[in-house]
Amino acid sequence: NAGVTQTPKFQVLKTGQSMTLQCAQDMNHNSMYWYRQDPGMGLRLIYYSASEGTTDKGEVPNGYNVSRLNKREFSLRLESAAPSQTSVYFCAGGGRINTEAFFGQGTRLTVV
Amino acid sequence: AQSVAQPEDQVNVAEGNPLTVKCTYSVSGNPYLFWYVQYPNRGLQFLLKYITGDNLVKGSYGFEAEFNKSQTSFHLKKPSALVSDSALYFCAVRDPYTDKLIFGTGTRLQVFP
Repeated sequence: NAGVTQTPKFQVLKTGQSMTLQCAQDMNHNSMYWYRQDPGMGLRLIYYSASEGTTDKGEVPNGYNVSRLNKREFSLRLESAAPSQTSVYFCAGGGRINTEAFFGQGTRLTVV
Repeated sequence: AQSVAQPEDQVNVAEGNPLTVKCTYSVSGNPYLFWYVQYPNRGLQFLLKYITGDNLVKGSYGFEAEFNKSQTSFHLKKPSALVSDSALYFCAVRDPYTDKLIFGTGTRLQVFP
């Protein structure tokens, strides 16, 4: 039982390159979330998926796309990376509304 | 609109003293409130939650939080701080209608020996 697994853990991209961050959960959670964490900014919600087949924008969706491939997997794609997207990205899974969310260990992304 | 505010970037407290980390929120409907802790280079760990019922909720590592509906606050507390409590603390609110989970900007707790 791994919980929430993110890959890769570290990534360096050149400006303009694309990549997909992967997230998978084995907790049967309906909801999944993608956040970015920047110093002094806390965790900001990029996109979330309240159930399989649905996705919604969060606070900072520009420059990102997501796919809820199935109940387990929720990927985040950067089509054309920019230095402003240098951050630590966290994926989380959430069960019923009255339960806590569980987080992955994060992906540290640097765009040069 | 749903929002969370943590007014203090950093809280400093001496070991053995009580600590409070402040959080206020805004959400439509009944609030589902959470506190998480983050240690350096780690993910977020759940501490405690308020869903309904008693306004004082107890969580992990001796932490507790007080829910105040009239002040829309959910302050984290601990009667006696430990140096090992030093970390980054996040308050969060989950919208009961959209399932959106929003976090505050975080408060760095520094406990001095």
